[in-house]
Amino acid sequence: GAVVSQHPSRVICKSGTSVKIECRSLDFQATTMFWYRQFPKQSLMLMATSNEGSKATYEQGVEKDKFLINHASLTLSTLTVTSAHPEDSSFYICSASGLLSGNTIYFGEGSWLTVV
Amino acid sequence: SQQGEEDPQALSIQEGENATMNCSYKTSINNLQWYRQNSGRGLVHLILIRSNEREKHSGRLRVTLDTSKKSSSLLITASRAADTASYFCATVPPSAGNKLTFGGGTRVLVKP
Repeated sequence: GAVVSQHPSRVICKSGTSVKIECRSLDFQATTMFWYRQFPKQSLMLMATSNEGSKATYEQGVEKDKFLINHASLTLSTLTVTSAHPEDSSFYICSASGLLSGNTIYFGEGSWLTVV
Repeated sequence: SQQGEEDPQALSIQEGENATMNCSYKTSINNLQWYRQNSGRGLVHLILIRSNEREKHSGRLRVTLDTSKKSSSLLITASRAADTASYFCATVPPSAGNKLTFGGGTRVLVKP
């Protein structure tokens, strides 16, 4: 069964609104979670690294004020796309690892965001 | 940013044939991992090979790693229609924790 759960799996929002995507680790405590973005038929691009209890580390070119990441507990990280625009439409995937997962990184099922 | 390239970008084979895809990367690594992604879904971890390993097997999967050439290959033997997916290599540089950098991916189509 899935060890990382993402919600919602699909969401449609209007331009200018904000949308929150949740990433939960189900079977282990995730000290680190990663957020990726993937356009159709392309690879995954790392957006940010989220460590529990501290501020996220964003990759170059990713607007931290637009993509708000919160990792308030060892089992939950959230990505909020603020003031969404159609170009933010994409597939967003989280992954998680923890002390007990070793080198294994577990991925969520992804969230399709469509901004209309 | 992407670590490197995967080759080929797309591969179409008949069921029962072998599928081979290659991954090249640019920097030193701690380990290299291969993942599978069905269309529109999350990633499934297939195999991890450490920088001091040269070959690893898991079921019908065989992974090689050549750190001198900064390249890896994934071989799927006796392919099945259910193997149709995109396959990505991902590298973890030293001291990067579990921060993965993905290659461009290979889209594999296995025709029944």
